[in-house]
Amino acid sequence: DSGVTQTPKHLITATGQRVTLRCSPRSGDLSVYWYQQSLDQGLQFLIQYYNGEERAKGNILERFSAQQFPDLHSELNLSSLELGDSALYFCASSVEQGNYEQYFGPGTRLTVT
Amino acid sequence: GDSVTQMEGPVTLSEEAFLTINCTYTATGYPSLFWYVQYPGEGLQLLLKATKADDKGSNKGFEATYRKETTSFHLEKGSVQVSDSAVYFCALSEYGNKLVFGAGTILRVKS
Repeated sequence: DSGVTQTPKHLITATGQRVTLRCSPRSGDLSVYWYQQSLDQGLQFLIQYYNGEERAKGNILERFSAQQFPDLHSELNLSSLELGDSALYFCASSVEQGNYEQYFGPGTRLTVT
Repeated sequence: GDSVTQMEGPVTLSEEAFLTINCTYTATGYPSLFWYVQYPGEGLQLLLKATKADDKGSNKGFEATYRKETTSFHLEKGSVQVSDSAVYFCALSEYGNKLVFGAGTILRVKS
């Protein structure tokens, strides 16, 4: 158990819908990262937050957004969902920006039908 | 940009066989290197890491040495077990930021 929690574990929704994925980092970790794992793209970095502020963006679609709240949990919002958004979404946390070890949650499996 | 290349799998071994999974990287600076493992239905677990050239990371019998001259970080284990069956990801991080992953290598160990 990494100490990072993600909810829900599974999510099935229809095209065009909007969903919110939630992540709670390990106690004391200030930095949260979101990654997408799909069969065709592999594991790709989406976005990073540090202590409530966005710090880095990767291959994140404009239909996707995220935020980190004062209690340090983070949410990833996916809207206007398409079939191709079906993937595993992982959250990871680290103690601080520049710390090299990231600890991953169990992931949320999103299926868009 | 940064990238990681891993040997394609699946790799199928008998129990107690020697394991090598090759990993090479391309980076603009001096990255930290990692191996993560993903068991079926689970998230990624950090297996080992190395933060500078010639460092050796080790954990649970697995080892990998950061070779700057060959830009490699090959994963090895002397004697694999059925419980080692999983997907192994090589990754790099520059300045402690985002992780850049390889495609992953499936390892299957037969008893």
